[in-house]
Amino acid sequence: AQRVTQPEKLLSVFKGAPVELKCNYSYSGSPELFWYVQYSRQRLQLLLRHISRESIKGFTADLNKGETSFHLKKPFAQEEDSAMYYCALRFYGGATNKLIFGTGTLLAVQP
Amino acid sequence: DAGVTQSPTHLIKTRGQQVTLRCSPKSGHDTVSWYQQALGQGPQFIFQYYEEEERQRGNFPDRFSGHQFPNYSSELNVNALLLGDSALYLCASSFIGGAGNEQFFGPGTRLTVL
Repeated sequence: AQRVTQPEKLLSVFKGAPVELKCNYSYSGSPELFWYVQYSRQRLQLLLRHISRESIKGFTADLNKGETSFHLKKPFAQEEDSAMYYCALRFYGGATNKLIFGTGTLLAVQP
Repeated sequence: DAGVTQSPTHLIKTRGQQVTLRCSPKSGHDTVSWYQQALGQGPQFIFQYYEEEERQRGNFPDRFSGHQFPNYSSELNVNALLLGDSALYLCASSFIGGAGNEQFFGPGTRLTVL
């Protein structure tokens, strides 16, 4: 069965400290993974996807198929990074697709 | 473009009642997905509509049903409401032919069942 696991409900760091939000997945096919972010009082929005191999707002994530992980990293946290982060796996069913989300990690960056 | 819009913002119902939630997709999008987000949980996929048909369905009972209109907007209907249906209901739209097929989310409808 497809599953996404985010083991930490809350991650609290100080400004300028490195951040790593953990995500592990279970999927028998070729995975397509995403990180979504929800800032306070805003809607869920896409942060980055593994296919793009891009860095958004200083965040990067590398897909490790051997460890079935897709951890989100940032070398120096900023206060504006405080938000809820969700890891998601895209599962295809014919021409359409659905997202399977983890339970989310609340990142709190202290001044 | 206002992006994905949902109505109403909040809704309070009692057990056994029926509810209809509405979603207008982002301009140019043709596919609508519905998710349920219970408190402290990630969004869970309910179903997806494309070309006015349900294309995929998650692990939700038949009490949950939907519809997509020719203008691509969509409704989510829940019958015989249970206390456990209290959640934030998210609508997401995408363009099936779009690069990456990214899903854009609406602000959600908060449903409280008493």
